[in-house]
Amino acid sequence: GESVGLHLPTLSVQEGDNSIINCAYSNSASDYFIWYKQESGKGPQFIIDIRSNMDKRQGQRVTVLLNKTVKHLSLQIAATQPGDSAVYFCAEGSNDMRFGAGTRLTVKP
Amino acid sequence: KAGVTQTPRYLIKTRGQQVTLSCSPISGHRSVSWYQQTPGQGLQFLFEYFSETQRNKGNFPGRFSGRQFSNSRSEMNVSTLELGDSALYLCASSFGVGGNSPLHFGNGTRLTVT
Repeated sequence: GESVGLHLPTLSVQEGDNSIINCAYSNSASDYFIWYKQESGKGPQFIIDIRSNMDKRQGQRVTVLLNKTVKHLSLQIAATQPGDSAVYFCAEGSNDMRFGAGTRLTVKP
Repeated sequence: KAGVTQTPRYLIKTRGQQVTLSCSPISGHRSVSWYQQTPGQGLQFLFEYFSETQRNKGNFPGRFSGRQFSNSRSEMNVSTLELGDSALYLCASSFGVGGNSPLHFGNGTRLTVT
């Protein structure tokens, strides 16, 4: 069946470095994609979204890249800070929103 | 603007019992989606309600049900609880339908079944 998945379950980076979190999706009908951040004890928090008619979108310190040819989504975090430590989920939307397994980002001081 | 509110925050139930969880969406949001989150399965879609109608349903048994009221508040019910139902249940609201609008999540209800 269709699924959304992540390439790596964990990612560890040094404070100040850039982070890249990847996601693969398989539903070619998906036309809306979101990245969420989930901290311990909280619900997922919206970071940034992108629609299928775009291939790049930038926010504050974050960039989402969408490659529809290979069905790949990535989240880039610039100058990663300790407060960025969390689990990151990609989600794809078509009829409803489906989530990937999540990547745990750890930022080392 | 107040965020999504879920009650209760924690719940402990015994196998065979039933439970009702409540969700108050962001004011003006008409869609409410429910997800089950477990360490092994991640975030699994349960169902979405839009304007009091179930719009979509995930792959869960009929023991899981929900409803939405005219003020967009939603409840989900799990009957005949099983140990495997222990999870964090997350509610999310959105202005438009869930597949095309950002979901805004509450902090969840942690259900433990013993």
